[in-house]
Amino acid sequence: QKEVEQDPGPLSVPEGAIVSLNCTYSNSAFQYFMWYRQYSRKGPELLMYTYSSGNKEDGRFTAQVDKSSKYISLFIRDSQPSDSATYLCAMDYGQNFVFGPGTRLSVLP
Amino acid sequence: EAGVAQSPRYKIIEKRQSVAFWCNPISGHATLYWYQQILGQGPKLLIQFQNNGVVDDSQLPKDRFSAERLKGVDSTLKIQPAKLEDSAVYLCASSLDRGQFYGYTFGSGTRLTVV
Repeated sequence: QKEVEQDPGPLSVPEGAIVSLNCTYSNSAFQYFMWYRQYSRKGPELLMYTYSSGNKEDGRFTAQVDKSSKYISLFIRDSQPSDSATYLCAMDYGQNFVFGPGTRLSVLP
Repeated sequence: EAGVAQSPRYKIIEKRQSVAFWCNPISGHATLYWYQQILGQGPKLLIQFQNNGVVDDSQLPKDRFSAERLKGVDSTLKIQPAKLEDSAVYLCASSLDRGQFYGYTFGSGTRLTVV
């Protein structure tokens, strides 16, 4: 079983839709949970991070962590064509950093 | 603030040839990372430097990959000899210090194709 699993997509939604992206993980030692956005031919950039369980909101983005279910989510409200990218979840404990495979999102105008 | 610089952007080589990638991190960042991102997968850590010392190289295929960080600043990653399965994007990242993932900055990567 892989440490971090994520539906690769592609996921296509119309502009303005609410997008839900999810990851599951197996290692209960993970403490920090991150979402990265990666545009084509670019490096990943950090969108949000949360520590332990709970919700965190930043503008149109909301990150949720449910450690009891080993499940994290990223919600994008009022999605825009500029949100079209690959979204990678990542998890960290101590010095070890593990990425999911990413979900490719297309927001259609 | 200038970002993480990597070169070249693209490289095509034949299997069994050698290749080298270069990374210049953000000024003042003590920690430097090299990641391998195979198409359709998330980045996988190859090696982590703290200043000019290696912190973690447990996932570096040492029979063919080598890396160094000169004077705690620039770094080079070398593959010799290359195999077809080495085709990937090689990403360099840097942070102020170890464990500061929130300060991680990635470069745009070098896309390697081995034919």
